[in-house]
Amino acid sequence: QVQLVQSGAEVKKPGASVKVSCKASGYTFTSYYMHWVRQAPGQGLEWMGVINPSGGSTTYAQKFQGRVTMTRDTSTRTVYMELSSLRSEDTALYYCARDPYSNFPSRTFDPWGQGTLVIVSS
Amino acid sequence: QSALTQPASVSGSPGQSITISCTGTSSDVGGYDYVSWYQQHPGKAPKLMIYDVSSRPSGVSNRFSGSKSGNTASLTISGLQAEDEADYYCSSYTSSSTRVFGGGTKLTVL
Repeated sequence: QVQLVQSGAEVKKPGASVKVSCKASGYTFTSYYMHWVRQAPGQGLEWMGVINPSGGSTTYAQKFQGRVTMTRDTSTRTVYMELSSLRSEDTALYYCARDPYSNFPSRTFDPWGQGTLVIVSS
Repeated sequence: QSALTQPASVSGSPGQSITISCTGTSSDVGGYDYVSWYQQHPGKAPKLMIYDVSSRPSGVSNRFSGSKSGNTASLTISGLQAEDEADYYCSSYTSSSTRVFGGGTKLTVL
């Protein structure tokens, strides 16, 4: 079955960077887009961006342009999300989520990883 | 890109039907049939319930249905059950090739 396993929780200081990984299994890695979504404590979902694991092309939310980088390693079936210049408002649970359909544009998210808690605190 | 507008909360009694609205603009909800809905229980990852406005993934109960009129999409849950109590989020593709979520709606089953 499709599984997305994310890296563990991180505690970072303001101004630092964090790199979260999402390892996929149970399907053809390069055939389905992967999205990143975050959720601040007690808040709603916020879309950050999407990566095409086949060619590595990305689209980012305007809010994160210049601060976020999404990459993939096809040899390990892993996608990465790196967020730089961290501030306290970036404290959140970060999810990877696969698009279950081979549609374009990619617009659906299922399943989701278990989430990675990133805490930004001095 | 502003978040889509959802009511903060809705409630209903077991067996009843409820509808959650999701209002956007012609640049997102109104411009594409690419609205999806997600259910999130406390402490859990979201789960896809409806995609492309009204399509239901395999395994999702037919008590869940979706529709759209103009810039507003809707999720209807019929025959409410206790386990339906959760947060619900809509999402849409946008003309900027990005995606946007609604603010979320807390469903309480009375």
